[in-house]
Amino acid sequence: KNEVEQSPQNLTAQEGEFITINCSYSVGISALHWLQQHPGGGIVSLFMLSSGKKKHGRLIATINIQEKHSSLHITASHPRDSAVYICAGQGGSEKLVFGKGTKLTVNP
Amino acid sequence: SQTIHQWPATLVQPVGSPLSLECTVEGTSNPNLYWYRQAAGRGLQLLFYSVGIGQISSEVPQNLSASRPQDRQFILSSKKLLLSDSGFYLCAWSAGQKLTDTQYFGPGTRLTVL
Repeated sequence: KNEVEQSPQNLTAQEGEFITINCSYSVGISALHWLQQHPGGGIVSLFMLSSGKKKHGRLIATINIQEKHSSLHITASHPRDSAVYICAGQGGSEKLVFGKGTKLTVNP
Repeated sequence: SQTIHQWPATLVQPVGSPLSLECTVEGTSNPNLYWYRQAAGRGLQLLFYSVGIGQISSEVPQNLSASRPQDRQFILSSKKLLLSDSGFYLCAWSAGQKLTDTQYFGPGTRLTVL
């Protein structure tokens, strides 16, 4: 069993919809990362958070340490948001443990 | 500003051939450097990380090796490729003395072993 689980695996939405991607982890972590992988493969780091909530443009990331759960929200989704979104937990060893990713497709 | 380069972008190699992937970082000193592999249908897997020149930590036993001959250069190598080595290889860097900082990824190398 992977220490970091994401849901859903695949998500299709219509432009403008509010999107939520979930990440749960089974081990204690010091920080959680959200990454975006574009269709060409390039990866961009979106957020790193250890508590509470962070917002950047239309993206919002939240984390609940007690429940070992984090969510990534996208408001007013757009086709250019189509990508694979990956969460990664940073544990005691400080190295990242990655989820398998959520493939998001936003249709116009 | 900092930039990270990887080459080649794509590579097709026969089984048993050698491999050398290179990663360089510009605009920063003494970065932590990482090699990841993303196999088809699987998540990212950390292969190696380095906190300094000549310092390599291996995460997964395999036929790959890594070297850091210069501060901002990280090389992934193999003497004999296996079919299972196919995947998308990503180099990343982070600043600071710990591994907890944000990691910045390179564009990746897509390797196909035939």
